[in-house]
Amino acid sequence: EIVLTQSPGTLSLSPGERATLSCRASQRVSSSFLAWYRQKPGQAPRLLIYGASSRATGIPDRCSGSGSGTDFTLTISRLEPEDFAMYYCQQYGSSPFTFGQGTRLEIK
Amino acid sequence: QVQLVESGGGVVQPGGSLRLSCLASGFIYSHYGLHWVRQAPGKGLEWMAFIQYDGSDKYYADSVKGRFTISRDNSKNTLYLQMNRLRSEDTAVYYCAKDLGGYQHYFDSWGQGTLVTVSS
Repeated sequence: EIVLTQSPGTLSLSPGERATLSCRASQRVSSSFLAWYRQKPGQAPRLLIYGASSRATGIPDRCSGSGSGTDFTLTISRLEPEDFAMYYCQQYGSSPFTFGQGTRLEIK
Repeated sequence: QVQLVESGGGVVQPGGSLRLSCLASGFIYSHYGLHWVRQAPGKGLEWMAFIQYDGSDKYYADSVKGRFTISRDNSKNTLYLQMNRLRSEDTAVYYCAKDLGGYQHYFDSWGQGTLVTVSS
């Protein structure tokens, strides 16, 4: 099983700042099969990034993904109020299709 | 647009059983793989189970293997999760999610979730 470790656990930033979230895998994620999701309280998760760096439909270019192998990053530039939420990475290269434990992005 | 609507959640005693359903619309149901993902109260997301577009392949998380069974009825556009021998740690919101087909097991659509509470 591939274990995903997200850091930091909590990130406190102000609107307009840049957020950098990390996701590290215990083994290589094949074909960069890594996705990122945002979840707001009481809502289902929403897909942001797939294939490590491809934006999902409707996701602004302020949001970008990068990385390969075992190290992946989600970057959100010019934070807006809607960006403050929980973020999860997920690998889908091999079953079980595991999630990271999440990073909480909160308003400073 | 794609819609996934879960139902069947509720309160069940430890050791009991429950069957969840997920009714899908807005896409060609028989073309896509489907998953169950759960979230315990205040916790993160946990992938549970996958079923191939035609039901020919199924994968499970170790935590539910042998207790939970995923199935689908393509004539009814409905996904199921049969949960047996339930434990308190199975208490969670259960989401069904659609993947992109093939090997693309990431989730572009989610249901609103159904709450399962395992308690005596």
